[in-house]
Amino acid sequence: AQSVTQPDIHITVSEGASLELRCNYSYGATPYLFWYVQSPGQGLQLLLKYFSGDTLVQGIKGFEAEFKRSQSSFNLRKPSVHWSDAAEYFCAVVFEGGATNKLIFGTGTLLAVQP
Amino acid sequence: EAGVAQSPRYKIIEKRQSVAFWCNPISGHATLYWYQQILGQGPKLLIQFQNNGVVDDSQLPKDRFSAERLKGVDSTLKIQPAKLEDSAVYLCASSLLRSYGETQYFGPGTRLLVL
Repeated sequence: AQSVTQPDIHITVSEGASLELRCNYSYGATPYLFWYVQSPGQGLQLLLKYFSGDTLVQGIKGFEAEFKRSQSSFNLRKPSVHWSDAAEYFCAVVFEGGATNKLIFGTGTLLAVQP
Repeated sequence: EAGVAQSPRYKIIEKRQSVAFWCNPISGHATLYWYQQILGQGPKLLIQFQNNGVVDDSQLPKDRFSAERLKGVDSTLKIQPAKLEDSAVYLCASSLLRSYGETQYFGPGTRLLVL
């Protein structure tokens, strides 16, 4: 079955430290890949997306993500975390073949930032 | 450009009561989505509209949930009667097209608590 896994439920990093959030998917072909961020009481904001081409994708707020086909992964990174990055991060995919543009989300990773 | 608008932002009801949520998508966006986000989980698609037609409602509990988008713009999601397990955040999203991977823009959500 098609699925998205975010193995880390909760991560705490110090401000200024680097960050990597993991995302793996299960699918026979390359899906469309997204990272969204959700701040408390807010909707989801798109950070970046990958469809094809360069496997290193740049997004907003200094985030980037790397697609690795061999590992079925699309990990999100940031070289230096700011306190305002504390939020919940969702990896999501769209699988071709269905009739819809349905986003399938992982369970999310809650990021806490220590001063 | 105005974003996706949703109302109300919060709603508390007792089980077996009915409730309705409203969504106004970004102007010109033909595709509208309703997602349910239960605490601790990623959002799950309930229904997708293309203009005023339903594209996918396979995960909508049709015995109690209904949705409409009569004029192809605003949409209403209704629950009748509500159950305790319907407590969740209901997110509305819209996209310009329904193509695979088309970016979806999310509203702030309606947080529902069923007592």
